[in-house]
Amino acid sequence: AQSVTQPDIHITVSEGASLELRCNYSYGATPYLFWYVQSPGQGLQLLLKYFSGDTLVQGIKGFEAEFKRSQSSFNLRKPSVHWSDAAEYFCAARGGTYKYIFGTGTRLKVLA
Amino acid sequence: GAGVSQSPSNKVTEKGKDVELRCDPISGHTALYWYRQSLGQGLEFLIYFQGNSAPDKSGLPSDRFSAERTGGSVSTLTIQRTQQEDSAVYLCASSPRAGGREGEQFFGPGTRLTVL
Repeated sequence: AQSVTQPDIHITVSEGASLELRCNYSYGATPYLFWYVQSPGQGLQLLLKYFSGDTLVQGIKGFEAEFKRSQSSFNLRKPSVHWSDAAEYFCAARGGTYKYIFGTGTRLKVLA
Repeated sequence: GAGVSQSPSNKVTEKGKDVELRCDPISGHTALYWYRQSLGQGLEFLIYFQGNSAPDKSGLPSDRFSAERTGGSVSTLTIQRTQQEDSAVYLCASSPRAGGREGEQFFGPGTRLTVL
């Protein structure tokens, strides 16, 4: 069955520290991959997406993600976290059609 | 331009009552999705509309749930005889088209439903 796994439910980092959020997928073929951010009381905002080609994808707000086919992973990274990055982050995958599968999310807390 | 809007933003209802949740997608977007987000869970797909095609209702959890999309624009999600387990945030998203590289979803802020 197709699935997206985010192994970390909560992550806490200090402001200015680097960040990596993990995402693994299970699909028959390489899906399109996405990272979204959800701030409290808000809908989801797309941070970045991977379709094909360069495995390192740049997104908004200084985020990047690296696709690793051998590990079925699409981890999100940021070199230096800001307090405003505190939010919930969702990894999602989509095959060739319209249906998305979302991970359960990782809630990021940033310490001042 | 205007994004996806949803109303109401919060809804508190009593068990057994019916509720209607509304979604106004971005103008011109042909695809529309409804998701349910329960506490500590990811987004659960409920239903998908694409233009005038028959909707994909495969994610609706029971026959108490229904949705329609009038005129290819506004959509209403209806939950009949609400139960406490229906309490969740209901998110709507629209997309310029389904699938392909242009199938990016734009989300509304959601409706938080609380069933007492």
